[in-house]
Amino acid sequence: EVQLVESGGGLVQPGGSLRLSCAASGFTFSTYEMNWVRQAPGKGLEWVSSFNSSDNTIYYADSVKGRFTISTDNAKNSLYLQMDSLRAEDTAVYYCARGDGFDIWGQGTMVTVSS
Amino acid sequence: SYELTQPPSVSVSPGQTARITCSGDALPRQYGYWYQQKPGQAPVLVMYKDSERPSGIPERFSGSSSGTTVTLTISGVQAEDEADYYCQSADNSASYRVFGGGTKLTVL
Repeated sequence: EVQLVESGGGLVQPGGSLRLSCAASGFTFSTYEMNWVRQAPGKGLEWVSSFNSSDNTIYYADSVKGRFTISTDNAKNSLYLQMDSLRAEDTAVYYCARGDGFDIWGQGTMVTVSS
Repeated sequence: SYELTQPPSVSVSPGQTARITCSGDALPRQYGYWYQQKPGQAPVLVMYKDSERPSGIPERFSGSSSGTTVTLTISGVQAEDEADYYCQSADNSASYRVFGGGTKLTVL
């Protein structure tokens, strides 16, 4: 079964850091572009970052550029998002999604930035 | 920054046809994708590359593209189709992804 499972969310103070993980199974992880998408409470979907496995190209939304870092570990079939200098407006459910069509999504992990 | 524009809400009666539009300047050159999201659940892909339906998605879902607008059509709407629908695409450089603001489909 094709599956994505996020972990690592939690409560963090403004200015703090958090590292999210996304464990992939049921497909050849290294051949797919992988993405992070977030959804603030009661709001719409917001694309955060993409990792293009074909050429190792990385893209970030302007709202997180310079603060968040996307990475992958093909040996562990895992995608990561290192989030630094967190702000209240980063509070959201964070999803990982597969491919340029975002065809498979994880269940999400909640990140709350609050003092 | 690039934006995709969707109507905030669409309402239809059961059995009728719902059409949800998504407008963006790069849509003539970039594919559109559609996702259905029900409360408390992760989004589900219901249409890709403008008009391709993933396996497992009912045939009543269809997609089309014309100029700067992509449209998701749900024929014979059922109560279970009530959800938020989001379009997604890329900017002209294909570097940045963007989601539309979402459309809440209400089945009366």
